[in-house]
Amino acid sequence: QKEVEQNSGPLSVPEGAIASLNCTYSDRGSQSFFWYRQYSGKSPELIMFIYSNGDKEDGRFTAQLNKASQYVSLLIRDSQPSDSATYLCAVKGSNDYKLSFGAGTTVTVRA
Amino acid sequence: KAGVTQTPRYLIKTRGQQVTLSCSPISGHRSVSWYQQTPGQGLQFLFEYFSETQRNKGNFPGRFSGRQFSNSRSEMNVSTLELGDSALYLCASSLSQIDTQYFGPGTRLTVL
Repeated sequence: QKEVEQNSGPLSVPEGAIASLNCTYSDRGSQSFFWYRQYSGKSPELIMFIYSNGDKEDGRFTAQLNKASQYVSLLIRDSQPSDSATYLCAVKGSNDYKLSFGAGTTVTVRA
Repeated sequence: KAGVTQTPRYLIKTRGQQVTLSCSPISGHRSVSWYQQTPGQGLQFLFEYFSETQRNKGNFPGRFSGRQFSNSRSEMNVSTLELGDSALYLCASSLSQIDTQYFGPGTRLTVL
């Protein structure tokens, strides 16, 4: 079992719609969770981090965390063509603090 | 505050050569992590340094090594390059091991 798994893409959504990205992790003790966005040919940039169960909103982005289910998600509301990118879920290990990444979900927003 | 910087940005080497990549973290950040990113394997963790000590190491052969200096700048070295080492090498810095990591622009290494 991979440490961090993301729903397979690619995900294509029309402009203005909600894009929903999911991520599960295996380390039950993990406390820190991150979403990064990576444009083609660029390096990952941090979108959000979340530490507590529940929702965390930042502009058009909402991260949701459920530690009991070992599940993290990212919602992108009012999707824009500029949101077209690969989204990486990352989880920090509970013992070694190593950051493990999922394979990424590629999102395409259709104008 | 300036972001993470990596040099060089692009590098072309031939099999058997060695290469050294450099990373300067965000000012005040003491933890530096290195990752290899390829289309097939995604983002894979290489190693992490904090206060000049390697704290974590990924599953890479001994050809991959690194170090960190007293000013938190870090270098990674790959010896006896193989074609499969062609990748984007990313450096990320954070205040400490438990804090959020911020990535540099990466070094694109091509091995011919």
